[in-house]
Amino acid sequence: LAKTTQPISMDSYEGQEVNITCSHNNIATNDYITWYQQFPSQGPRFIIQGYKTKVTNEVASLFIPADRKSSTLSLPRVSLSDTAVYYCLLRPSGAGSYQLTFGKGTKLSVIP
Amino acid sequence: GAGVSQSPSNKVTEKGKDVELRCDPISGHTALYWYRQRLGQGLEFLIYFQGNSAPDKSGLPSDRFSAERTGESVSTLTIQRTQQEDSAVYLCASTPQGGYQETQYFGPGTRLLVL
Repeated sequence: LAKTTQPISMDSYEGQEVNITCSHNNIATNDYITWYQQFPSQGPRFIIQGYKTKVTNEVASLFIPADRKSSTLSLPRVSLSDTAVYYCLLRPSGAGSYQLTFGKGTKLSVIP
Repeated sequence: GAGVSQSPSNKVTEKGKDVELRCDPISGHTALYWYRQRLGQGLEFLIYFQGNSAPDKSGLPSDRFSAERTGESVSTLTIQRTQQEDSAVYLCASTPQGGYQETQYFGPGTRLLVL
């Protein structure tokens, strides 16, 4: 599975927009970009998934440039409860995509 | 049920003992997955069940690890002769049909500490 690279940690103040960028230079044509969130002592929770351009849901937005070698998860107006680890991963559309492979993720700390 | 549940929440055992970890997937979900997460690390895939069959056991780290699923529901992950390097959080996830792009719903995990 292709590798992703993201910052180890980020700090943000409450109410700010947070953008977490993930690099995936070797992304394959059939790979989807998926983000998960994990709170301490809990299992990961799906946030958003996209293939190209922009995807938005009630939680976040995902921006993917035309070359798809990176992606940016955008969290609007974060609150203390958004403090968590955020994982970027690639999921091929074919066989084996159920094997979710997480890296170390980005630990987001929201400060009052 | 409302979500994936796992038991026990925490397990402390002595090196060399066997442990059993249980996963109850969301009711009606036919696909079930086990993962391992070491402290400060990402997820490692262990095994995938479709119904009661395990078409992919490629992630099991050694023959000390085994898993079964019965009634297309509950799954048990067994670790025999535990070693200290087995200490980790063991996570279970389920999906409705096991489709390639289905969102996996995770349980809270079982924290295993081998002394």
